[in-house]
Amino acid sequence: DAGVIQSPRHEVTEMGQEVTLRCKPISGHNSLFWYRQTMMRGLELLIYFNNNVPIDDSGMPEDRFSAKMPNASFSTLKIQPSEPRDSAVYFCASSFPPGRRIEETQYFGPGTRLLVL
Amino acid sequence: GENVEQHPSTLSVQEGDSAVIKCTYSDSASNYFPWYKQELGKGPQLIIDIRSNVGEKKDQRIAVTLNKTAKHFSLHITETQPEDSAVYFCAASRERGQNFVFGPGTRLSVLP
Repeated sequence: DAGVIQSPRHEVTEMGQEVTLRCKPISGHNSLFWYRQTMMRGLELLIYFNNNVPIDDSGMPEDRFSAKMPNASFSTLKIQPSEPRDSAVYFCASSFPPGRRIEETQYFGPGTRLLVL
Repeated sequence: GENVEQHPSTLSVQEGDSAVIKCTYSDSASNYFPWYKQELGKGPQLIIDIRSNVGEKKDQRIAVTLNKTAKHFSLHITETQPEDSAVYFCAASRERGQNFVFGPGTRLSVLP
């Protein structure tokens, strides 16, 4: 398996622009998580989905952030408009849903390094 | 909600020595505790995990211990090698695969 795939790997944009980050989870995984990592705040969970349905979006910092999962193999995290304080590494992770008798931990993608100027 | 603390924040050891990283958690309902290793420019990778019905788990040079009563768990790396240098994160969860709360991380440096 190719693992969790994220694109782009690096993004540099100007304040006010729209940014879209993309994630393809591991095939068969029904849970998908978006994290943000900064030096100051560490790894923060932004939102997670089970079976394409958002379960907990309490970590989304504000209305400028939105996430979608239109199908089991694709998710997007959008920031509109972007601000310099959004600069961070954004990770997507996926896992099997709870209750299955197989390994259920989270597997992380390589991340998208976002810089908003 | 759950709060996970991790110590030390940085750790330097000589190659061949052992390294120990400790985490404490606040939610007594947490029952799954993974450890992740993050190398520069990469995403966190699971290295070992433990469930609350187990006190200790070992995988080659890596071991994790859990004390449910005290609500703390530790990562032990023996015979450290330079390639063990990375940032290590602990996490706690009520349910495997769901809603992890991560510790702030420990930067481990193994000096040759």
